[in-house]
Amino acid sequence: GQQLNQSPQSMFIQEGEDVSMNCTSSSIFNTWLWYKQDPGEGPVLLIALYKAGELTSNGRLTAQFGITRKDSFLNISASIPSDVGIYFCAGQNYGGSQGNLIFGKGTKLSVKP
Amino acid sequence: NAGVTQTPKFQVLKTGQSMTLQCAQDMNHEYMSWYRQDPGMGLRLIHYSVGAGITDQGEVPNGYNVSRSTTEDFPLRLLSAAPSQTSVYFCASSTRQINTGELFFGEGSRLTVL
Repeated sequence: GQQLNQSPQSMFIQEGEDVSMNCTSSSIFNTWLWYKQDPGEGPVLLIALYKAGELTSNGRLTAQFGITRKDSFLNISASIPSDVGIYFCAGQNYGGSQGNLIFGKGTKLSVKP
Repeated sequence: NAGVTQTPKFQVLKTGQSMTLQCAQDMNHEYMSWYRQDPGMGLRLIHYSVGAGITDQGEVPNGYNVSRSTTEDFPLRLLSAAPSQTSVYFCASSTRQINTGELFFGEGSRLTVL
């Protein structure tokens, strides 16, 4: 089946640093999404991307839908302690009437104050 | 505004016991789904529903049953729990009948099977 390769698996950074993580696949997707999961909570949607090449920002977060439709990246600028959590990428295809959403295994972000 | 509500938040079962994880949403969403999250495995789809009376299997459906009698509720049943079902379970819903990937998740139900 389809798989997403998300990297890095974990990151330990200093407050104020920029962060970059990415997701790649051998298959193309129609939609790329990025979710964040705080400890003990459910994932929350950060950014959704619908077009190849699309670059979208949400505050300090910026994400891009790769031109090949097989990858996406998420950047966080000037990290703060509340950025701590697990970030998941997800790729979506429309198969039949239901679609198929595949999640990456997550990037665990730790921020030192 | 409650969103997606899951109960219980924690549960310990013995092997062979049965139980139901409850999920309710108050956003009138057509699409609902259940995921399990295991360390290093990300989120894997168990079952999903595109509306009342309609359910289908996801990536890892074995050992789980679902039903959708109302738009609001989507319970997940474990008929005979096994240690391999120890996991954190998330219910999610979406505004559209076709899953666009824009999901609202509950807070999760942590299940331990001894």
